Amino acid sequence: DTGVSQDPRHKITKRGQNVTFRCDPISEHNRLYWYRQTLGQGPEFLTYFQNEAQLEKSRLLSDRFSAERPKGSFSTLEIQRTEQGDSAMYLCASSLVVAGGYNEQFFGPGTRLTVL
Amino acid sequence: KNEVEQSPQNLTAQEGEFITINCSYSVGISALHWLQQHPGGGIVSLFMLSSGKKKHGRLIATINIQEKHSSLHITASHPRDSAVYICVPFGNEKLTFGTGTRLTIIP
Repeated sequence: DTGVSQDPRHKITKRGQNVTFRCDPISEHNRLYWYRQTLGQGPEFLTYFQNEAQLEKSRLLSDRFSAERPKGSFSTLEIQRTEQGDSAMYLCASSLVVAGGYNEQFFGPGTRLTVL
Repeated sequence: KNEVEQSPQNLTAQEGEFITINCSYSVGISALHWLQQHPGGGIVSLFMLSSGKKKHGRLIATINIQEKHSSLHITASHPRDSAVYICVPFGNEKLTFGTGTRLTIIP
């Protein structure tokens, strides 16, 4: 399967614990995005990378959230000291941005986080 | 006013019916995604279009950039089409998601 993959698919944790999610983009894609989706809402942008550089972070991404893409391939999203409000689906998407082209994003299956 | 508005928000139809979902947006865009999200959360990109009309099987998407409006049509709807359909206009790096249209097709 050459699509975007995310791990784990589901995570249940207790409030105050740290969690880390992984996203493996489509191999030749240079852009990687993280989104968060709460129940009944559309996804909200969190951050994105161009290769290994994190180019933009949403104000939704508090100090407890950190994302990395160290080698420009897979990315990790860590949430420290989780709160119940962090419960959501965390979606990753990747795209190949070329000059003059459109930024078509391909989505992974998501990681569903439940904070008890 | 939301940047993206879809109508209807919920739609229930009988198998075989012709389905139309509308999307109006206020942001300037270069192109627009139609996404499909099934229960369980997986998102599939159905279309990306910047003008005119595209067709994939039973699905047709149209866009009018001047009127800032797009429509998604499903012909001969089937229960497996039941999902949330999300219109996503984009003009820069961040996608602006609507809340989607929840479609239920009854056999």
